[in-house]
Amino acid sequence: DAMVIQNPRYQVTQFGKPVTLSCSQTLNHNVMYWYQQKSSQAPKLLFHYYDKDFNNEADTPDNFQSRRPNTSFCFLDIRSPGLGDAAMYLCATSRPISYNEQFFGPGTRLTVL
Amino acid sequence: AQTVTQSQPEMSVQEAETVTLSCTYDTSESDYYLFWYKQPPSRQMILVIRQEAYKQQNATENRFSVNFQKAAKSFSLKISDSQLGDAAMYFCAYRSTNTGNQFYFGTGTSLTVIP
Repeated sequence: DAMVIQNPRYQVTQFGKPVTLSCSQTLNHNVMYWYQQKSSQAPKLLFHYYDKDFNNEADTPDNFQSRRPNTSFCFLDIRSPGLGDAAMYLCATSRPISYNEQFFGPGTRLTVL
Repeated sequence: AQTVTQSQPEMSVQEAETVTLSCTYDTSESDYYLFWYKQPPSRQMILVIRQEAYKQQNATENRFSVNFQKAAKSFSLKISDSQLGDAAMYFCAYRSTNTGNQFYFGTGTSLTVIP
């Protein structure tokens, strides 16, 4: 089945230690998104790619970076995780046409010690 | 940016009964798309139903239907014959036809189904 895959499902890191979360998709969608979701809150968009075109949200901290080496893969790099970065990180994909919905991965739960 | 408001942080419904979740949004656009997503506990978010703003007919997917009131900028979700598996967080989302790729989410409604 076509899908959005996130690895790892659970990630533990230490305060200030860089961490990378990965997302891959078999849907061949042009658009890939990274969201941060804290407990019982709405997903907060960090950034998205339309093909290789990177779109950063104005309030996304510089601590968060992303890479998309090809259509299938997208990475979220947190350069110096703080305690406040502990959250669920969701990857999603979509076609660029407006009626198309997003397809979400299962998320990576990040714990910062 | 568009804003999406879900005024009910929590709702509960008796199994087999009907429940309606509310969503309002603010936009100056005339053409856009609206979505309801379901996020069960510890499981991934999935699409429940979508509505095109240019269509007057309300979307329906089996037990799920919407009441789309464009003038009032309201987009409520009705779940009929509620089942235990309907228990989840429900998010309303807006997608512009102009900016295209961004989705704007509401804060969610946590639905409990009582056996």
